[in-house]
Amino acid sequence: EAQVTQNPRYLITVTGKKLTVTCSQNMNHEYMSWYRQDPGLGLRQIYYSMNVEVTDKGDVPEGYKVSRKEKRNFPLILESPSPNQTSLYFCASSPQLSGGYSDTQYFGPGTRLTVL
Amino acid sequence: ILNVEQSPQSLHVQEGDSTNFTCSFPSSNFYALHWYRWETAKSPEALFVMTLNGDEKKKGRISATLNTKEGYSYLYIKGSQPEDSATYLCASSYFGNEKLTFGTGTRLTIIP
Repeated sequence: EAQVTQNPRYLITVTGKKLTVTCSQNMNHEYMSWYRQDPGLGLRQIYYSMNVEVTDKGDVPEGYKVSRKEKRNFPLILESPSPNQTSLYFCASSPQLSGGYSDTQYFGPGTRLTVL
Repeated sequence: ILNVEQSPQSLHVQEGDSTNFTCSFPSSNFYALHWYRWETAKSPEALFVMTLNGDEKKKGRISATLNTKEGYSYLYIKGSQPEDSATYLCASSYFGNEKLTFGTGTRLTIIP
């Protein structure tokens, strides 16, 4: 089954304790992206990757890191989490970009993170 | 940061009624407009992607139109059913920009 998976689905942690949220897709997609969803705000892009070893900042990258060592995986790293990073996080992937961006994104199930 | 606006923020509709809502986006350098449907506790799922001015797309009882010159898109739902209850997100993209910018969504509740 074609899908995007994220782990963990739920996480409660404390300020400053490094964590990684994994994202994996089995559709051979070039493009992968991380978003956060907060009440009253739209999905906001954190980082995206157009291909292996190619990553770039989205609209809200502060406090996050990513890596794209393999095509299928795109982990999100919080080196020193803070309470303002409490949010619902989505990973998404899509086929290769062409010029602008018109490819449908496929979203993972979401990770609800609470930082105390 | 581009500003994509959706209205209304929330909407209650009687089962069987038809409804529509709006997505407004900057029209300069526009490339594509996406609509996603997001049910509670699930992931957003794609409904439509539209690129051309005057585009109309339809999937069952749901349809969408696009006006790229004035920067808006309408989503229509005909004969609403309880399973249509969800948040509907739109997102726009632009030439030379590998990002999607999302609106805050319209939360639709169908009243049986």
